[in-house]
Amino acid sequence: DTEVTQTPKHLVMGMTNKKSLKCEQHMGHRAMYWYKQKAKKPPELMFVYSYEKLSINESVPSRFSPECPNSSLLNLHLHALQPEDSALYLCASSQETGAMRTIYFGEGSWLTVV
Amino acid sequence: SQQGEEDPQALSIQEGENATMNCSYKTSINNLQWYRQNSGRGLVHLILIRSNEREKHSGRLRVTLDTSKKSSSLLITASRAADTASYFCANQDTGRRALTFGSGTRLQVQP
Repeated sequence: DTEVTQTPKHLVMGMTNKKSLKCEQHMGHRAMYWYKQKAKKPPELMFVYSYEKLSINESVPSRFSPECPNSSLLNLHLHALQPEDSALYLCASSQETGAMRTIYFGEGSWLTVV
Repeated sequence: SQQGEEDPQALSIQEGENATMNCSYKTSINNLQWYRQNSGRGLVHLILIRSNEREKHSGRLRVTLDTSKKSSSLLITASRAADTASYFCANQDTGRRALTFGSGTRLQVQP
């Protein structure tokens, strides 16, 4: 069983809505990630947080806004999304102990923008 | 794009047969990892091979790494219907703190 918990599992939102995806881990990991995955495609990195600070933003549109309130929580705030943003959003975490780290994924949140 | 390529894109075999998936990448790496994803689910880590290793085993899995060719392979022996999933290689290059995933292989094991 994954130790990275994502909520909600499914979200349907309109293009004018504001919603949030939430992610929680209790493994003491200090790095957390958001990935986006379209159908039959590999996950694509969106954001990386290290020690609660944003360290990588892969040129993601500002309608996606990440937040890391503490070392266990990671949010992704969504506003004014487009239908092409519909995808599986995966949260992940890893220890910050050098290069040889395994990344643990949650089950994902399925987002549909209508 | 730093994304690697995997082949085949799709593979269908009978239970009990072996399955081999290949992965190529573009950058210098610290390590290469393989992940499995059941349809519509999260990714599960299978195995990590360091850049100074050439082969690694874990149960029915065997991974090889050839850094001179920037390629890796995953062999699943004695496959089972439950092995049906998508398999992704992911490399962690020397400059980044995140994984970049290959295009993936969809494996179907027929009972």
